[in-house]
Amino acid sequence: GESVGLHLPTLSVQEGDNSIINCAYSNSASDYFIWYKQESGKGPQFIIDIRSNMDKRQGQRVTVLLNKTVKHLSLQIAATQPGDSAVYFCAENRGSGGSNYKLTFGKGTLLTVNP
Amino acid sequence: DSGVTQTPKHLITATGQRVTLRCSPRSGDLSVYWYQQSLDQGLQFLIQYYNGEERAKGNILERFSAQQFPDLHSELNLSSLELGDSALYFCASSVRASGDNEQFFGPGTRLTVL
Repeated sequence: GESVGLHLPTLSVQEGDNSIINCAYSNSASDYFIWYKQESGKGPQFIIDIRSNMDKRQGQRVTVLLNKTVKHLSLQIAATQPGDSAVYFCAENRGSGGSNYKLTFGKGTLLTVNP
Repeated sequence: DSGVTQTPKHLITATGQRVTLRCSPRSGDLSVYWYQQSLDQGLQFLIQYYNGEERAKGNILERFSAQQFPDLHSELNLSSLELGDSALYFCASSVRASGDNEQFFGPGTRLTVL
């Protein structure tokens, strides 16, 4: 079936700690994955993406890991700050060739950073 | 600020009514996407337009329709509204039509159907 799910609906961390948000996907044909952050009252904001020909990609304080063998995606946030508190969504896309766009979002994980 | 604008910010209407949501993409973006976000369904892709043409369809009901105009702004029309249509509706835009490029989301329109 088509599903992108999250292992943990909520995650609470201390400021300065590293955060890891996990995501499972079921469609082995998915070739592009994205993490979005949504703060309260705002639209989703792109964080980082990764293509299926990669297993790791780093951004500023964030790293995305892709394990295609077990269909698992994770977002690591280093030195988590209070401003990182938000809902984080993973999304998978099938058909990056343009004619078969379909982005499927997970339910989201609420990250709370305690000062 | 993503550069994507949506109006109105809030909309309250009654069952059976019809409403129109409007979206202006970022300058230079040709692709517009519509999403519905509800508590029980999460973020659902509805439809995509690219340079005025429908490009992809997701979980969009037949009661809903959309279009993209020559100036690239887009409208989402929701008709015969039901209580279950109450949700946040987001518009996003991107440069390319393919799914593998960054989308910029607007602030959303909160629709309440009474």
